[in-house]
Amino acid sequence: DVKVTQSSRYLVKRTGEKVFLECVQDMDHENMFWYRQDPGLGLRLIYFSYDVKMKEKGDIPEGYSVSREKKERFSLILESASTNQTSMYLCASSLNRKETQYFGPGTRLLVL
Amino acid sequence: GQNIDQPTEMTATEGAIVQINCTYQTSGFNGLFWYQQHAGEAPTFLSYNVLDGLEEKGRFSSFLSRSKGYSYLLLKELQMKDSASYLCAVVNAGKSTFGDGTTLTVKP
Repeated sequence: DVKVTQSSRYLVKRTGEKVFLECVQDMDHENMFWYRQDPGLGLRLIYFSYDVKMKEKGDIPEGYSVSREKKERFSLILESASTNQTSMYLCASSLNRKETQYFGPGTRLLVL
Repeated sequence: GQNIDQPTEMTATEGAIVQINCTYQTSGFNGLFWYQQHAGEAPTFLSYNVLDGLEEKGRFSSFLSRSKGYSYLLLKELQMKDSASYLCAVVNAGKSTFGDGTTLTVKP
């Protein structure tokens, strides 16, 4: 079974703090994704990566950056957290561009 | 641009059949996924359609018409555990665009 893990299930941060969300997958998948999910807005793609050290902007990249130094790990960085970044963050991975995505359990981030 | 529409909520009775529709208008199309998401949990894969027609997998079936920009998920013999959100996602150039999801409530 594919396993996608995220570093925290719940996180509370203050406005202006730098926040790191880590995601690790154990199935040697090429593609990794970061989404945020908000009520009424669905899942929105922040960034994705097709390979190590490669990244592409999704639909809402503003205020975020990512890092993929190793194939199994994809990090989402909030350089200076703001209250409107309070959300559920979901990481996903897929074998290739046409395969199903496997999701991690999510990190619920609260920015005060 | 990408636009994916699903009904916000649906209610059905245990043992019944329910059809959840998804219409899409996207700049490209490589396939359509359906995911199930229980409250507080991550989405999990249900089905994938790339060609027109019906894909059946146990109690769940998914249909696609590319010319109409339309898909549906059919759930048969509903069980209480099927109460969840159902997400339609269109894949284009490796990116998935998700609809807002349909929250299905199954009542006894």
